[in-house]
Amino acid sequence: ETGVTQTPRHLVMGMTNKKSLKCEQHLGHNAMYWYKQSAKKPLELMFVYSLEERVENNSVPSRFSPECPNSSHLFLHLHTLQPEDSALYLCASSHRDRGEGEYGYTFGSGTRLTVV
Amino acid sequence: AQSVTQLDSQVPVFEEAPVELRCNYSSSVSVYLFWYVQYPNQGLQLLLKYLSGSTLVKGINGFEAEFNKSQTSFHLRKPSVHISDTAEYFCAVSETGTYKYIFGTGTRLKVLA
Repeated sequence: ETGVTQTPRHLVMGMTNKKSLKCEQHLGHNAMYWYKQSAKKPLELMFVYSLEERVENNSVPSRFSPECPNSSHLFLHLHTLQPEDSALYLCASSHRDRGEGEYGYTFGSGTRLTVV
Repeated sequence: AQSVTQLDSQVPVFEEAPVELRCNYSSSVSVYLFWYVQYPNQGLQLLLKYLSGSTLVKGINGFEAEFNKSQTSFHLRKPSVHISDTAEYFCAVSETGTYKYIFGTGTRLKVLA
C-alpha cells in the first residue's frame, strides 16, 4: 500500500470507447499529477492539480481530459484514443510547501493501458 | 535551465558486487535531489532524497547517495547488490522555492547471478 491507489491496474479499450482512470490518495498531500510512461521514452508530465495551479502540458491531446473534484481524487477521462496512447499511466501526489518547494512524490502502481 | 542527466541507460553488475548509478544536474539555484526505483509493472518508489544538511544520504534497501555541489552530481551507490535490486532507477531534481520537478531518463540496473 503506497498511499496512492490507481484503478484499474490494466485496461484494454477500443479506439471508439470512453473510459476513465481513477486515482486516490490518503496522504494529505495538496498536489496531484498524471504522468505517461511509454517504452524507451522519458516520463511525460501530462497534468498537475494543486490549490495554486492547474497545469496542462500543451502537447497532450484533447482526447485526454483530467478531472480533480477534490484534493484526494484525480481522474483521467479517455475517449477516441489511438494505439500510440498505449502506455503506463502513473498518478502521483506530493506535498507542496509554499516558499520551499517540492519534497518528493508518492506514485501509484499505474494503469497499463492498451488501445486496440 | 534546470536539467538532469543519467548518462548510463543500462548497468549490468554481478550479484554481491558494488554499483554506482550516475546522476548529474544543472541549475542556477539551489536544488533538492531524489532517487526513485521502479520495479516491472509498478509505479516509482522514493529511495532517498537530499533536501539539506549532510551530503551523504541513506535510503531504503541499503542504497545511499552523495550530493556533490561542485560537481553538480548525486550518484547512487550500493556496496553489494542483490538480484532483487534489478529495476529501473530514476534521478530527479527540484529547484527550491519552486514546484519545478524534472526526472532523468532512467538507468536500468540488471543484477546477474
